[in-house]
Amino acid sequence: AQSVTQLDSQVPVFEEAPVELRCNYSSSVSVYLFWYVQYPNQGLQLLLKYLSGSTLVESINGFEAEFNKSQTSFHLRKPSVHISDTAEYFCAVSDSDSSYKLIFGSGTRLLVRP
Amino acid sequence: DSGVTQTPKHLITATGQRVTLRCSPRSGDLSVYWYQQSLDQGLQFLIHYYNGEERAKGNILERFSAQQFPDLHSELNLSSLELGDSALYFCASSAPSGQGIGEQFFGPGTRLTVL
Repeated sequence: AQSVTQLDSQVPVFEEAPVELRCNYSSSVSVYLFWYVQYPNQGLQLLLKYLSGSTLVESINGFEAEFNKSQTSFHLRKPSVHISDTAEYFCAVSDSDSSYKLIFGSGTRLLVRP
Repeated sequence: DSGVTQTPKHLITATGQRVTLRCSPRSGDLSVYWYQQSLDQGLQFLIHYYNGEERAKGNILERFSAQQFPDLHSELNLSSLELGDSALYFCASSAPSGQGIGEQFFGPGTRLTVL
């Protein structure tokens, strides 16, 4: 069965500093990878996804993630964070069974300080 | 706004009771997924329906059941509630893309509190 590991439960960082949120997944023949963000008292929003093609994927708000098959990783990065990026970030994997259900990591709380 | 609606937003009930959570997917989406988010278990997949048919089951208790109706809305029924069932329940809908997998759009969730 697929699994996702997010080693960091909380990442504190100062505003305008770079950040990396780590995500590792269990290996499979083909995987689809996602990062979702959850702001306080809200639902999950898709931040970015890797389905195929270029291993570097970007979101509209400056986040990027790189699919690394050899290291089974999909780390999320941003070169300069804002206070408004404070949220819970979830890495998720889906495999090519008929369901495409999402298997989530335990989440990383990004806390941006002024 | 994802286009997925869930009702009610909050639900407070007692142990042993039964509740029904409702989800309306985005217009045109045939797939509905249910997830449970709790402090100890994190985000867990419960069940998936596609166009009225059950497609996959996750860690869903036998006390829980779901269905998807002809108008594509879905209901999650939770019975014989226990304190540990207190959680945030999300539904998500999706439509397949050219690559097969479609993005899942999440509703705002129903927060269930069992006292």
